[in-house]
Amino acid sequence: SQTIHQWPATLVQPVGSPLSLECTVEGTSNPNLYWYRQAAGRGLQLLFYSVGIGQISSEVPQNLSASRPQDRQFILSSKKLLLSDSGFYLCAWSAYRLELQQDTQYFGPGTRLTVL
Amino acid sequence: GESVGLHLPTLSVQEGDNSIINCAYSNSASDYFIWYKQESGKGPQFIIDIRSNMDKRQGQRVTVLLNKTVKHLSLQIAATQPGDSAVYFCAENIRNSGYALNFGKGTSLLVTP
Repeated sequence: SQTIHQWPATLVQPVGSPLSLECTVEGTSNPNLYWYRQAAGRGLQLLFYSVGIGQISSEVPQNLSASRPQDRQFILSSKKLLLSDSGFYLCAWSAYRLELQQDTQYFGPGTRLTVL
Repeated sequence: GESVGLHLPTLSVQEGDNSIINCAYSNSASDYFIWYKQESGKGPQFIIDIRSNMDKRQGQRVTVLLNKTVKHLSLQIAATQPGDSAVYFCAENIRNSGYALNFGKGTSLLVTP
């Protein structure tokens, strides 16, 4: 079965410091991978997605970047964190569901980032 | 901006009752919908999904209904249990828009004994 891991689970960082969040997926090959951010009490906002190694699409302009150095690894980074970068960051992977002819996204456990 | 919204931000039900969580969407090009359950401090968990060429889909204790005429989606949970307490999100994918899912803000379901 497929599993998705994220680390760290929680992170407290000062403003202006760098960031690196990691996501890995097991049990599948060539998944689509996604980074979302969830602000407190709100829905999820798609930040980046990747359909393959080295292929990154950005959905919103921001202070963050993403990279996919390996097939099942997705990294979210920043050179200098802002206060507004605080939030709950979720990685997801998608699998094609034949019965619906549609990609379905499955989420990881998330990383709680607090920028002070 | 979001085209997926919720009728009620919170819903309180008694254990054993059936729960109905509603969601409205505005884009007629939306062709795929998913319900997720999110417990506090955890990532969203897939519950059930449906395509726009369907009206109803059933899982274990859950049913999703889609009314395209009024652009309305609902999640029905049978015999609600305390473990069902969570925030429930509906999400939509718009045809030919790529992989992005638009999420609603969520409904908090509280199951009381």
